[in-house]
Amino acid sequence: QVHLVQSAAEVKKPGSSVKVSCKASGGTFSSYTINWVRQAPGQGLEWMGRIVPMFGTPNYAQKFQGRVTITADESTNTAYIELSSLRYEDTAAYFCARDRGRPYFHMDVWGKGTTVIVSS
Amino acid sequence: QSVLTQPPSVSGAPGQRVTFSCTGTSSNIGAGNDVHWYQQLPGTAPKLLIYGNSIRPSGVPDRFSGSKSGTSASLAITGLQAEDEANYYCQSYDSSLSVVFGGGTKLTVL
Repeated sequence: QVHLVQSAAEVKKPGSSVKVSCKASGGTFSSYTINWVRQAPGQGLEWMGRIVPMFGTPNYAQKFQGRVTITADESTNTAYIELSSLRYEDTAAYFCARDRGRPYFHMDVWGKGTTVIVSS
Repeated sequence: QSVLTQPPSVSGAPGQRVTFSCTGTSSNIGAGNDVHWYQQLPGTAPKLLIYGNSIRPSGVPDRFSGSKSGTSASLAITGLQAEDEANYYCQSYDSSLSVVFGGGTKLTVL
């Protein structure tokens, strides 16, 4: 049974960057897609991008292109998302979620989320 | 503004049946892409409820069911229970294979 363990909450200043980690335990990591989804307070879910650790090539939502970097380290079973030029509206819970792959491509395992607060 | 459209709220009394709609376009649901549903209890991560339009993961009660037709999908809960009070999100993909979500529907059990 795969579990996704995310890094602790962060408080960042506007204009800075934040890097959140997502470590997989208890199962195969490299061949599945890891998605990053965020949720602002009181708002819905917003997809930010994905990576397949085995291939290492990320895909980003158009909204975050140029400001987000998703990476993965197969040796530690850990995926990362880094968001730069932080704005107040980036305050949110950031979730990683495993995509189960073919044939349905659904997210069956989720991390508990990492809260990022952008505050001066 | 979410790509998939969901009503903001739904309510029902214990024991009743409620349905949630999820409306997309020919670029996402209507393009033949599967719809998945997630349940999010307050303060927790989303949990997979239905995948592949109508398949329940192991452990999800058969009170929950999903369907898809054309550019829309729906989730139904029968025998409503107090513990079902949560936010429900639909998810699919668009033509560029980007993940798209609905804005979520808050279920209130009266």
